Amino acid sequence: GENVEQHPSTLSVQEGDSAVIKCTYSDSASNYFPWYKQELGKRPQLIIDIRSNVGEKKDQRIAVTLNKTAKHFSLHITETQPEDSAVYFCAAVGGGFKTIFGAGTRLFVKA
Amino acid sequence: GAVVSQHPSRVICKSGTSVKIECRSLDFQATTMFWYRQFPKQSLMLMATSNEGSKATYEQGVEKDKFLINHASLTLSTLTVTSAHPEDSSFYICSARDPSGGTDTQYFGPGTRLTVL
Repeated sequence: GENVEQHPSTLSVQEGDSAVIKCTYSDSASNYFPWYKQELGKRPQLIIDIRSNVGEKKDQRIAVTLNKTAKHFSLHITETQPEDSAVYFCAAVGGGFKTIFGAGTRLFVKA
Repeated sequence: GAVVSQHPSRVICKSGTSVKIECRSLDFQATTMFWYRQFPKQSLMLMATSNEGSKATYEQGVEKDKFLINHASLTLSTLTVTSAHPEDSSFYICSARDPSGGTDTQYFGPGTRLTVL
């Protein structure tokens, strides 16, 4: 079945450094790739997304890249801040708007 | 953006009882809603797709007779956990897509934390 792999599971960076999270997906029909930030006990919050006809998208300190041929997509956070600490999930959306989530990356930003 | 609510936010019940969770789209009509389950420190696992006016589509391994889904209107889907057991304790989150928005964005409810004693 459909699968999304996410790495790393845990990432610790110093404040001001960059953080990169990588995902791969298996379903060729996936055409929409959102990234979510989830704080403890809260709902996932959409932080950025990318569609299959675009290779890169940037929103201030956050950027996402997509390599549809290789079925890879990545999240890049620059100039990290302590408030960026959270769990980040990548996801792939295919037919029927069915969303498959990656396992999550717990990001720690040390002040 | 669009708003999705869930009720209750937290519920504690005894083993063997049934629990109903409501998911509402407050400012848009959702023909499709999704139900997820999230265990501690794990990812969101899609349980089922709820379709207004028709039967829900369940993911492999999810018992449709245990997790009853009803999508009776364009703004309400309910998930009933029947004969709940401690292993059903989890964070249940719904999401909905606004078809009039012209995007693929899904909006998540705030979640319901279920604890079965």
